[in-house]
Amino acid sequence: QVQLQESGPGLVKPSETLSLTCSVSGGSISTYYWSWIRQPPGKGLEWIAYINYSGRTNYNPSLKSRATISLDTSKSQFSLKLNSVTAADTAVYYCTRGAGWYPYWSQGTLVTVSS
Amino acid sequence: QSALTQPASVSGSPGQSITISCTGTNSDVGAYDYVSWYQQHPGKAPRLLIYDVHNRPSGVSNRFSGSKSGNTASLTISELQAEDEADYYCNSYASTNTYFFGTGTKVTVL
Repeated sequence: QVQLQESGPGLVKPSETLSLTCSVSGGSISTYYWSWIRQPPGKGLEWIAYINYSGRTNYNPSLKSRATISLDTSKSQFSLKLNSVTAADTAVYYCTRGAGWYPYWSQGTLVTVSS
Repeated sequence: QSALTQPASVSGSPGQSITISCTGTNSDVGAYDYVSWYQQHPGKAPRLLIYDVHNRPSGVSNRFSGSKSGNTASLTISELQAEDEADYYCNSYASTNTYFFGTGTKVTVL
């Protein structure tokens, strides 16, 4: 069974960079697409970006200029960096397998942007 | 382009059927058969119910079914049960090579 676990700081200061890593177990990271999705408290889901096994990436246009997704197959991990964060970036961040439909999700991690 | 439109809430009694709509445009829902649906209980990660409009992953009850007509996709839950009370989200591929979620629907079992 594929399992995903995100890691990273739960508190980030405004204007700094949010960095999250997702560790994948129970399956090969070198086969599928991998995505980040977020959910502000009490609000809906927002797709952030995906990366595939060959490093092809795609971003939500509303975040493209600030987001970077990367893949480390040797560690079975993929990562998200979001720079110049504001309070509007406060959300639960999920890492998932897939692009377009997501059968596997991490438990989610709350990242709060606050000074 | 923005989120797909879903009703804020839908309710039904146990045993009844309910349908949740997901309205997009001819650049997303209407253009591609890449609509998926998710169930989310409070404090939990979403769970995939339907992909590619009407396909169910293994392990998902056949009480959940998906369809599409024009720019609107639909999720039907038949034989409604107390455990179906949750938030539901649709998702669609769009012509801009991006993906959009719906605004979300809270299902209440009366």
